Order: sequence, then C-alpha cells, then structure tokens
Amino acid sequence: KAGVTQTPRYLIKTRGQQVTLSCSPISGHRSVSWYQQTPGQGLQFLFEYFSETQRNKGNFPGRFSGRQFSNSRSEMNVSTLELGDSALYLCASSLRTGGRVDTQYFGPGTRLTVL
Amino acid sequence: GESVGLHLPTLSVQEGDNSIINCAYSNSASDYFIWYKQESGKGPQFIIDIRSNMDKRQGQRVTVLLNKTVKHLSLQIAATQPGDSAVYFCAEFVTDSWGKLQFGAGTQVVVTP
Repeated sequence: KAGVTQTPRYLIKTRGQQVTLSCSPISGHRSVSWYQQTPGQGLQFLFEYFSETQRNKGNFPGRFSGRQFSNSRSEMNVSTLELGDSALYLCASSLRTGGRVDTQYFGPGTRLTVL
Repeated sequence: GESVGLHLPTLSVQEGDNSIINCAYSNSASDYFIWYKQESGKGPQFIIDIRSNMDKRQGQRVTVLLNKTVKHLSLQIAATQPGDSAVYFCAEFVTDSWGKLQFGAGTQVVVTP
C-alpha cells in the first residue's frame, strides 16, 4: 500500500504571497491532519479533516486554512506569507473508523521557505 | 512562542546497548499514546502505540511502558543500532470533542560505535 504523499516537497516563496500544499492519504484513510514543524516550536497541530469537514483546529491564525475532497485528498493554504511561516509542513492520515482514534501515518513533508 | 530553538535532550548510546527514552505527558484524560521516530529530512515514522487500558506493549526490539499514575511514558529499544539514531517523539491524544495529537519536544538519540 502506498504511503502518504505530499506535494511539492520543497517550496520557496516571498512575503505576502500565498501557497497551497497538497496531501494524498493512504488508500482507505478518511482523516487527514496537518502539522507545522519548526525548530522553535516543534510539532504543532494545525487542523484535521474527516469526511470533507474540519473536525478540529489548532491555535493558528486564519491565514492558515484547508479543505478535503471527496477522495480524502487534502490541501492546506497559507495566505499573506510571513517569514515565520517557514517550516516543514507535515500531513498525516488515519482511518478514524467511526471517529475512533487510531494511528496517524505521516508523509515526508513540504519544506516551505519564505524569503 | 519565542523564536528560539527547542533544546532537545540528547541520549548517547553505545551500539548494542539498550536505550530508554522518557516522556512526561500533560493530560490525565489522554487515552492513546504513540511513539514516532524522525530521521533528518523525513516525516515522523510510527514505532509503536499504546492505549490507556494497558501498561506495557512490545514490538520488534521496542517496548512502551505507560505509568498513568505519574503521567509517564517510556520507550525502550533493545540492542540499539546505528540506524536507530534519530529524534524520537511521544504523542498523546488529547480528548477535546474530536480530539487531537499533542507532541512532546522530542529526544535526540545518538548511537555511537
């Protein structure tokens, strides 16, 4: 079974621009969670989507948004980029059958650099 | 938060020895815990998980121990190998309606020959 895939793997943007990152979950997984990883803050939860609905959200400004499609693929968008948005953005998928918590499997991440 | 780097604790282990990585979790209501390994340039890789109705769980060369009384989790790696060098994270599932995974800061494990 193919793992979680994320595109693009690397991205360089300038302040004020916007960016869209994509995540394809493991086949059959309906939940996709997004995380931001930085040296200063570690792994921080952004949001989780399940059945095309955002189910939970972390403590990030509204510039960070996401969506999930009917095939469970997910995108996250960051608008009006700031230097501090430079990070590794990770997505993770899980089954969440009946909403039950289970293992999250991570993709390789997208390395975003904001200049 | 402050924009300073997290100071990751480092565990130096000789190849062939056993490693023990400790983690304190924050929420007494958390009922699911996962250990992840992250190598440089890669996403976190699942190692082992444990639910709160268990005290111990074993995998291949790894054992997770859960002490709910003191909110402590540990990961034991038997016969540590150079390929075990990585950052190890514990994560707890915090139950707030839908719930979410909350990660610890991580421990850098360095395996020396």
